[in-house]
Amino acid sequence: DIVMTQSPDSLAVSLGERATINCKSSQSVLYSSNNKNHLAWYQQKPGQPPKLLIYWASTRESGVPDRFSGSGSGTDFTLTISSLQAEDVAVYYCQQYYITQSSFGQGTKLEI
Amino acid sequence: QVQLVQSGAEVKKPGASVKVSCKASGYTFSGHYIHWVRQAPGQGLERMGWINGNSGATNYAQKFEGRVTMTRDTSINTAYMDLRSLRSDDTAVYYCARGHCSGIGCHDVFDIWGQGTMVTVSS
Repeated sequence: DIVMTQSPDSLAVSLGERATINCKSSQSVLYSSNNKNHLAWYQQKPGQPPKLLIYWASTRESGVPDRFSGSGSGTDFTLTISSLQAEDVAVYYCQQYYITQSSFGQGTKLEI
Repeated sequence: QVQLVQSGAEVKKPGASVKVSCKASGYTFSGHYIHWVRQAPGQGLERMGWINGNSGATNYAQKFEGRVTMTRDTSINTAYMDLRSLRSDDTAVYYCARGHCSGIGCHDVFDIWGQGTMVTVSS
């Protein structure tokens, strides 16, 4: 199994400031045949299901604001919110889908 | 619009079974996988497995092998997740989610989620 570890577990950022969440996989999720990182990011607000933000490590899902961006390759990835808005308060999860048994990180709670 | 609508909350006794449904609309059901993910109270996301909407092939997380069965009825665009021998630590919100498909194939990226079904296991 691939273990996903996020850091930090929680984060407080001022409105308008940059928020950065890290995700590390126990093995590379870069698939050589398509040269893509099989890594996604989700946002979950209280009482709601998760929402897909980013896949292929850096491709923004349709409708996701461009203040959200993903970067990284291999085993180390980052989700960046360039200018934090009040509605971004949520728990964020990374997920690898490199192998059939996909797995999630433990989550990072983002607060104002 | 594209959506997944799940069945309502359930309360079960230890040892019982629960069957959660997930009705799809707004897209071609057979063109996508349906995945099941659960979330215990205050905890993170845990993958349970998937079912191919076309072939009915399944893949279960090792933790649930022998205890879970995923099925689908293409005539009504509905997927089901049946979990047996329930324990108190099965208390969780159970989500179905659609697997993302594009020109380069289908992958375990969950682009549409159901609203969740709370399953409480208590004596």
